[in-house]
Amino acid sequence: DGGITQSPKYLFRKEGQNVTLSCEQNLNHDAMYWYRQDPGQGLRLIYYSQIVNDFQKGDIAEGYSVSREKKESFPLTVTSAQKNPTAFYLCASSIGGPYNEQFFGPGTRLTVL
Amino acid sequence: DQQVKQNSPSLSVQEGRISILNCDYTNSMFDYFLWYKKYPAEGPTFLISISSIKDKNEDGRFTVFLNKSAKHLSLHIVPSQPGDSAVYFCAAHMAGNNRKLIWGLGTSLAVNP
Repeated sequence: DGGITQSPKYLFRKEGQNVTLSCEQNLNHDAMYWYRQDPGQGLRLIYYSQIVNDFQKGDIAEGYSVSREKKESFPLTVTSAQKNPTAFYLCASSIGGPYNEQFFGPGTRLTVL
Repeated sequence: DQQVKQNSPSLSVQEGRISILNCDYTNSMFDYFLWYKKYPAEGPTFLISISSIKDKNEDGRFTVFLNKSAKHLSLHIVPSQPGDSAVYFCAAHMAGNNRKLIWGLGTSLAVNP
């Protein structure tokens, strides 16, 4: 049963702490993406990766870091440098480029206290 | 500056009637347009797409129309069902090597029984 998973669904952290959000896919997709959604906003791209060991900054990469050591995994670290980290984070994957259908995970809601 | 605009934040229609969701864009370099549907606290799911070389694409109850001269596209849902109640995002893909989508802010559709 193929899909994309994100864990945890809800995450609480104290201000100043780094936190890593998990994203795993078993769809054999080359491309993976991280988005952030704030209330009343569209999706904004944080980072994307087209192949293993390669990734590019999206529109709002400051304060975030990623790695792509395996095809299946694309974890996102929200660092203490991110000024407003509280948001809903979505991971997605696709075959080839983003003009193809992107499959999204269920999302992680991060709240920084 | 919003390159993809969904000017109606919300829309309410009666079950069985047509729902028309609109999207305007400013960049003539977009080569694909996609519609995604999103329920609260979930990731978006792909609905339908259209290439910029076409003016219509149909999939069951969903039809997307593209008017390139007006830089306008619309999603028609006929007949509308209560389960269609969700937020609908319009997204556009830039031609070339830029591997990302530009997302609109979404339109919240409510289909009333």
